[in-house]
Amino acid sequence: DADVTQTPRNRITKTGKRIMLECSQTKGHDRMYWYRQDPGLGLRLIYYSFDVKDINKGEISDGYSVSRQAQAKFSLSLESAIPNQTALYFCATSGDGSGELFFGEGSRLTVL
Amino acid sequence: GDSVTQMEGPVTLSEEACLTINCTYTATGYPSLFWYVQYPGEGLQLLLKATKADDKGSNKGFEATYRKETTSFHLEKGSVQVSDSAVYFCALTTRGTASKLTFGTGTRLQVTL
Repeated sequence: DADVTQTPRNRITKTGKRIMLECSQTKGHDRMYWYRQDPGLGLRLIYYSFDVKDINKGEISDGYSVSRQAQAKFSLSLESAIPNQTALYFCATSGDGSGELFFGEGSRLTVL
Repeated sequence: GDSVTQMEGPVTLSEEACLTINCTYTATGYPSLFWYVQYPGEGLQLLLKATKADDKGSNKGFEATYRKETTSFHLEKGSVQVSDSAVYFCALTTRGTASKLTFGTGTRLQVTL
């Protein structure tokens, strides 16, 4: 089983719908991140968390919210999806401040 | 702010050819530098890293040297294989940024027989 698991792997939804992407990890890491990948733009940080009580905005947090339900779980929500949120979303974890991240396999979201 | 610039792809090479993917950076302070690789349908994984000037990171035949004077961290491999076909991302993090990585836009490598 993967150390960092994302669900769903693929989702197609309509404009205005609420969407939740879930991430769970078995690595025992405190630090968790949500990134968005767009062609030609690389990866951009949406939110990150160092523990259950610590949530921080990244560079593109508008239109997104997160919940850290437990050390192992970090969810990303789109309250009202719009087409320009169509992208590949990655969850990642880190056990220290070294910069080495462990990524899930990604959740491909299409907003029509 | 911090930024990473890497060469645009796609890069198409024949098997056993030499590879160089250029990466330059702008950062405050002294960054740690990384190359991540994304194989088709997978998440990113760390390929190699260097944490200070003149360090050389290496893994799976790939290497990159942290050049402070040219603010570069070019990825090289002497002989690529079809299995190296992937997207390669250069990234950096600086002390005090909570290990938030700043990524380049990625370079797709396609290796053919």
